[in-house]
Amino acid sequence: NAGVMQNPRHLVRRRGQEARLRCSPMKGHSHVYWYRQLPEEGLKFMVYLQKENIIDESGMPKERFSAEFPKEGPSILRIQQVVRGDSAAYFCASSPANSPLHFGNGTRLTVT
Amino acid sequence: GNSVTQMEGPVTLSEEAFLTINCTYTATGYPSLFWYVQYPGEGLQLLLKATKADDKGSNKGFEATYRKETTSFHLEKGSVQVSDSAVYFCALSATTGNQFYFGTGTSLTVIP
Repeated sequence: NAGVMQNPRHLVRRRGQEARLRCSPMKGHSHVYWYRQLPEEGLKFMVYLQKENIIDESGMPKERFSAEFPKEGPSILRIQQVVRGDSAAYFCASSPANSPLHFGNGTRLTVT
Repeated sequence: GNSVTQMEGPVTLSEEAFLTINCTYTATGYPSLFWYVQYPGEGLQLLLKATKADDKGSNKGFEATYRKETTSFHLEKGSVQVSDSAVYFCALSATTGNQFYFGTGTSLTVIP
C-alpha cells in the first residue's frame, strides 16, 4: 500500500506566479489535511477536506489560497500570485475516519 | 478549546542519556494522543499513540503514558541513540470532528 504521495517535492516559483501542490492520499483514506511548516517553526494547520467537501478551512489565508479534493484525482492546494512569504514546506496528511494521520514527504515551495 | 503545549527545544543529549520531552494538552472530552517524529527532509511519522486514560504507547524504545489527571503525555526513552536525532511532535485528535492539533515540535540532537 503506497503511502501519501505529494508532488512535486520541490517547486520554485517567481513572485506573482501560481503554485499548484498535489496530494494523493493513501488508498481507502477519505480525509485529507494540509499543513504548512516554516523553517524552525511547527506545523500550522491550513485545511481539512473530505471527498468534494471542505470541512474546516480555518487555517487557510482568506486570499490567494484554495484547496480541493475532487471525487476523482488528487487533492490540490493552489496558491495564486505567490509572494516570498509563501516559501515553506507544505505537508499533506490523510486518514480514514477516527485514525492517526499519515503524512507525505512534503512539497518545498521557494518563491524567488 | 483543544490545544497541545510541548517542551521548548532544542534539546541536546549525549548518546545513552535518558530523554524526556514534556507534553500537556487541553481538550474537551476524551481525545486520542500521539507522538510523531520528523527526520530531516521528511514528513512526520507516527511514533506511538494512546487512545484512553492510563494507556501506554510504546515503539522503538520510546514510551508515553496518557495521564488524564495531569493532562499530560510525556515522551520518554531510557537510552537515546544518534539516530534518534529528529523533531518530535505531540498531537491530539478531538473526540468529535476528526480534527488534529499539534504542538510546536521539539528538536532533539544526540551527540556521540
